Amino acid sequence: QVQLQESGPGLVKPSETLSLTCAVSGYSISSGYYWGWIRQPPGKGLEWIGSIYHSGSTYYNPSLKSRVTISVDTSKNQFSLKLSSVTAADTAVYYCARQDGHYDSSGYYVEYFQHWGQGTLVTVSS
Amino acid sequence: SSELTQDPAVSVALGQTVRITCQGDSLRSYYASWYQQKPGQAPVLVIYGKNNRPSGIPDRFSGSSSGNTASLTITGAQAEDEADYYCNSRDSSGNHRVVFGGGTKLTVL
Repeated sequence: QVQLQESGPGLVKPSETLSLTCAVSGYSISSGYYWGWIRQPPGKGLEWIGSIYHSGSTYYNPSLKSRVTISVDTSKNQFSLKLSSVTAADTAVYYCARQDGHYDSSGYYVEYFQHWGQGTLVTVSS
Repeated sequence: SSELTQDPAVSVALGQTVRITCQGDSLRSYYASWYQQKPGQAPVLVIYGKNNRPSGIPDRFSGSSSGNTASLTITGAQAEDEADYYCNSRDSSGNHRVVFGGGTKLTVL
């Protein structure tokens, strides 16, 4: 059973860097899949931040790309998020999730997040 | 702004059928996936691909797609189905970007 758990400070000051870690159990990151970060501001919808493959290849949301770094530590079976120069607009619940994707028999690609962490609220405030 | 468009709110009478839609150009090339989110909880995947349900998801949930529109149908809605529903897919720009719809609040009357 795949389980993910986010951890990190719940309060970050404006202009500083938000750092979160997602510990994975029940599956070895080295075995494959992309691993992603998604956030949800209070009362709003979901926003994909970015994803990383076990090899270290990364893809980021263009709207956040200049401030985001996602890394993976296969020895600890975890991956991490850093978001720099945060403002109040970065206040959100941050989720980590395993990103599954494949082509089906009709040739269409499907991508989905089946396994999610419980989420952690990060507040940006002085 | 979201490149997948969903109606902000939909309501359904208990036991009736409801369809929640998701529109976007990316859906001409990629399947949508659907998530249910209840207050204070992480999203739960309910449908992925053409019409696949993860283990444990009731068969009253089904998915379909036509052109640039994907649909999530709940046949015989239950009180516990009241939640926010989000669609997502790969973006069609070719850069592995993932997009989510803005979400639909489902009320079961």
